[in-house]
Amino acid sequence: EAGVAQSPRYKIIEKRQSVAFWCNPISGHATLYWYQQILGQGPKLLIQFQNNGVVDDSQLPKDRFSAERLKGVDSTLKIQPAKLEDSAVYLCATLGGGNEKLFFGSGTQLSVL
Amino acid sequence: SQKIEQNSEALNIQEGKTATLTCNYTNYSPAYLQWYRQDPGRGPVFLLLIRENEKEKRKERLKVTFDTTLKQSLFHITASQPADSATYLCALDTLGSGYSTLTFGKGTMLLVSP
Repeated sequence: EAGVAQSPRYKIIEKRQSVAFWCNPISGHATLYWYQQILGQGPKLLIQFQNNGVVDDSQLPKDRFSAERLKGVDSTLKIQPAKLEDSAVYLCATLGGGNEKLFFGSGTQLSVL
Repeated sequence: SQKIEQNSEALNIQEGKTATLTCNYTNYSPAYLQWYRQDPGRGPVFLLLIRENEKEKRKERLKVTFDTTLKQSLFHITASQPADSATYLCALDTLGSGYSTLTFGKGTMLLVSP
């Protein structure tokens, strides 16, 4: 089966600019996650969707980050305005395998200068 | 506070030996615990899941144990190979609402030398 697709693969922006990441999940996977992974750290959950509803966004910095999942399929994550500390890999994942294991995309590596 | 802790230092072992990685957690009562492998520049890949009522799980050269009293999981790779070199992450279901909300540890980098 096709995997989780993310784009772009890399993005370099200056602080205070805005940026958006896109995720196309595995077909039929209802639950979608966005994780932030800073170098040397484990993935940190930003937001979890069940179809197009939000399950958990307690760690999403809502003053600058927003996410949506249109029609319960594709999802976008936006940062506006970006800060230096937002430099990280942004990983999209979907839940499959009997609703117990995550399938990750390759991520978008963001550098904020 | 809630924590998930993995071996903070990289683990260096020789090919053929058994690698043992540790995951400790506090103030969680997970229904299950998972282990993932992550290679540089890639997203994590699922390896094994073990439930709270299971003591041990095996898959080929991999073995996971889960002690809910000690709040600890051990991940073993037997007959290790250089291709096993990667970062290994443990993850817990932390929301406990049936929504599979996974919180990850920091990961342990494993280096297997020929």
